[in-house]
Amino acid sequence: EDQVTQSPEALRLQEGESSSLNCSYTVSGLRGLFWYRQDPGKGPEFLFTLYSAGEEKEKERLKATLTKKESFLHITAPKPEDSATYLCAVQAASGSRLTFGEGTQLTVNP
Amino acid sequence: SAVISQKPSRDICQRGTSLTIQCQVDSQVTMMFWYRQQPGQSLTLIATANQGSEATYESGFVIDKFPISRPNLTFSTLTVSNMSPEDSSIYLCSVEVETQYFGPGTRLLVL
Repeated sequence: EDQVTQSPEALRLQEGESSSLNCSYTVSGLRGLFWYRQDPGKGPEFLFTLYSAGEEKEKERLKATLTKKESFLHITAPKPEDSATYLCAVQAASGSRLTFGEGTQLTVNP
Repeated sequence: SAVISQKPSRDICQRGTSLTIQCQVDSQVTMMFWYRQQPGQSLTLIATANQGSEATYESGFVIDKFPISRPNLTFSTLTVSNMSPEDSSIYLCSVEVETQYFGPGTRLLVL
């Protein structure tokens, strides 16, 4: 059974204080690992897809990396508008369903 | 990418009644998905809806409780039947276009 564990559950940062979110996973043949951002009362917003170990992708202050067992979402010099819940999900090679982690709730204080 | 809309955006319903949620996408897609997000929790897949075939339900979800229609390549509906307070959740539609994109969700409160 595919499993995704995210840590920490919640993270408070000061504006400009860089940090990383972790996503550990087990999957029977990885097709893709996904990062989403979810604001309160809204649907998840797609950020990145990573397909193979060693792959990295960047978007503004966010950088996602992937190993064979985990992914990191690095946030550099965060701003208050980066406050949201960040969700990690995996997709197995055998199908299209996404298995989600519980998310990390990020708060960036000005 | 894909632009997805859902109706209604929110509703308050009485137990024992049913609610049908609509999902519209701005392009033709083969695969559409329905997820549930219970309060304070992450997303759980309810079913996969492909046009022209019966929906495929995940373990713990049954067609009698969550009937799904997929009449064409841009539209789907999910009905939550005989509702109870435990059905209070956000229901999300998603589509796969290279990756999976999500709609804004339908917030359902069952009293």
